[in-house]
Amino acid sequence: QSALTQPASVSGSPGQSITISCTGTGSDVGDYNYISWYQQHPGKAPKLMIFDVSNRPSGVSNRFSGSKSGNTASLTISGLQTEDEADYYCSSYTNSTTPRVFGGGTKVIVL
Amino acid sequence: EVQLVQSGPEVKKPGESLRISCRTSGYRLTRNWISWVRQIPGKGLEWMGRIDPSDSYTNYSPSFEGHVTISLDKSINTAYLQWTSLRASDTAIYYCARLEGDWFDPWGQGTLVTVSS
Repeated sequence: QSALTQPASVSGSPGQSITISCTGTGSDVGDYNYISWYQQHPGKAPKLMIFDVSNRPSGVSNRFSGSKSGNTASLTISGLQTEDEADYYCSSYTNSTTPRVFGGGTKVIVL
Repeated sequence: EVQLVQSGPEVKKPGESLRISCRTSGYRLTRNWISWVRQIPGKGLEWMGRIDPSDSYTNYSPSFEGHVTISLDKSINTAYLQWTSLRASDTAIYYCARLEGDWFDPWGQGTLVTVSS
């Protein structure tokens, strides 16, 4: 069982907006702004999309945005495109014996 | 350009030893921790552990501690993940990733390890 909880899948039509949630606890998501998001296409390595809750690395589309409220972080993809179909993982710093944890992953399906 | 390039796929038998590598380039190795992440085919990402290249300090997830060893050779800017006795359940893709601040970027391309009798 993953430390952070994500929905197994989220779907949307091209042009729509979707939001992926990432729920943790007060020991990770709730207590730190060290939340990052990764996109993984089949057969490829993960790619950083968002860091420190809401910051986008250079080269990542501004259609991707992040936020946090309480123990839940969120990734929103606006103007959904077919190339956005992939698995998405959240990650957080945690004050447990495992200082980094991932969510179980969410498959984004573009209808 | 910062790059992490991993060694190629491996096929091993249970009980055998293995070391896979992650060669870094494009930045000063001692600036950033290196982490290893496991992905069982079709499953999610699991953080295994990390090493601080400045002093080789390591820490591991309890799920992996005692079963794997993370090390590095600063002279060739390379980190390693090592097993002394592989199990079938170690079959997975293993990624190295640079820890930049509190996020992983970039990632290596992954190394598929298959353990089968």
